[in-house]
Amino acid sequence: LAKTTQPISMDSYEGQEVNITCSHNNIATNDYITWYQQFPSQGPRFIIQGYKTKVTNEVASLFIPADRKSSTLSLPRVSLSDTAVYYCLVGAQAAGNKLTFGGGTRVLVKP
Amino acid sequence: NAGVTQTPKFQVLKTGQSMTLQCAQDMNHEYMSWYRQDPGMGLRLIHYSVGAGITDQGEVPNGYNVSRSTTEDFPLRLLSAAPSQTSVYFCASTPTGGDNYGYTFGSGTRLTVV
Repeated sequence: LAKTTQPISMDSYEGQEVNITCSHNNIATNDYITWYQQFPSQGPRFIIQGYKTKVTNEVASLFIPADRKSSTLSLPRVSLSDTAVYYCLVGAQAAGNKLTFGGGTRVLVKP
Repeated sequence: NAGVTQTPKFQVLKTGQSMTLQCAQDMNHEYMSWYRQDPGMGLRLIHYSVGAGITDQGEVPNGYNVSRSTTEDFPLRLLSAAPSQTSVYFCASTPTGGDNYGYTFGSGTRLTVV
């Protein structure tokens, strides 16, 4: 399983764009990159998933360079309610059951 | 459509007691997993299942048993509770394969072993 490294914490302000970069140097050919968001006392919530290039949905964008050794989650115009822990996961779709959560990035959005 | 339902939400056990954490999903997902999350930590995989009748161990399986007799249910059994098992337990499910499929998590069971 590919190991991931992401910053422990980040601070931002309302209305700013937040970019969280995750390193996964040992990513395998059939691995996907998935990001989850977790609020206190709640289970993680799926945000976005991608394999290469750029993926965008109504919540975030995911940028993946050609070598796929890193990825960046972009949260546009954050609000106070985006304060949460964000996890980057790497794993094969076929082995989705063996995804491993690291420590995550604690994002604090300030007024 | 309730998603993933976990019961109970809170539980206090004495050391040595056994109990079963319940997990049910109504989305017809094939994959189900159990995680534990200790304070300030990420989630660790305990056991998982790729379909009814099929289970396997995750990263931290010791002290836990699972079974999957139906697609909907995936109970987690603590055989003899220990203080080290004090944690928040999350059950999750996902469809089999495909693009942009993430896990749907339950709201968790907060377990304290005294």
